[in-house]
Amino acid sequence: DQQVKQNSPSLSVQEGRISILNCDYTNSMFDYFLWYKKYPAEGPTFLISISSIKDKNEDGRFTVFLNKSAKHLSLHIVPSQPGDSAVYFCARTRINDGGSQGNLIFGKGTKLSVKP
Amino acid sequence: NAGVTQTPKFRILKIGQSMTLQCTQDMNHNYMYWYRQDPGMGLKLIYYSVGAGITDKGEVPNGYNVSRSTTEDFPLRLELAAPSQTSVYFCASSFRQGATGSPLHFGNGTRLTVT
Repeated sequence: DQQVKQNSPSLSVQEGRISILNCDYTNSMFDYFLWYKKYPAEGPTFLISISSIKDKNEDGRFTVFLNKSAKHLSLHIVPSQPGDSAVYFCARTRINDGGSQGNLIFGKGTKLSVKP
Repeated sequence: NAGVTQTPKFRILKIGQSMTLQCTQDMNHNYMYWYRQDPGMGLKLIYYSVGAGITDKGEVPNGYNVSRSTTEDFPLRLELAAPSQTSVYFCASSFRQGATGSPLHFGNGTRLTVT
């Protein structure tokens, strides 16, 4: 019962262009969405998050958009840099959900390759 | 700060053997978690702890045990290793529970192979 879906296993973009990573979710009870970035042989690192009361959140080159009617989340990276090449995971959690709050549900990830 | 430290980085086990994956954090975080990542899949929560002496099951706890005797340490125990436990294991910690302003900090993982 996958509640967070990343349907594109990989994405390749040219340096300087926009990277758009997509994520769909199947349960509208989630209150918080996050993006994590993972380099090989390292643990995931937090990138950016958005709560369900917002449509957009920006942090430098990274912007996350939330379309609640479509149950769709996207991460925009502008401009893309070779150092952005990594696997990106979207995840969701629920605010104030008692004991299971820490239970991040992860998508399968999208491998981004930014070519110089 | 070292953050979250996991040992060992790699391990090969024979079926039926046991081992403990070590995890320690130096950020004074109350909340700690163990995830596993199978090839081509997202991370799945095995166990978590909201403080010393308190642990609870996550999504895939079967075959594992945990303990939390101190704030810093959260070891994961495999008692009877099975091939299905071949995976990469990540330990994480957070200041507060949940996502709001308190992202998880992950260690670099332990790659375990059971043959």
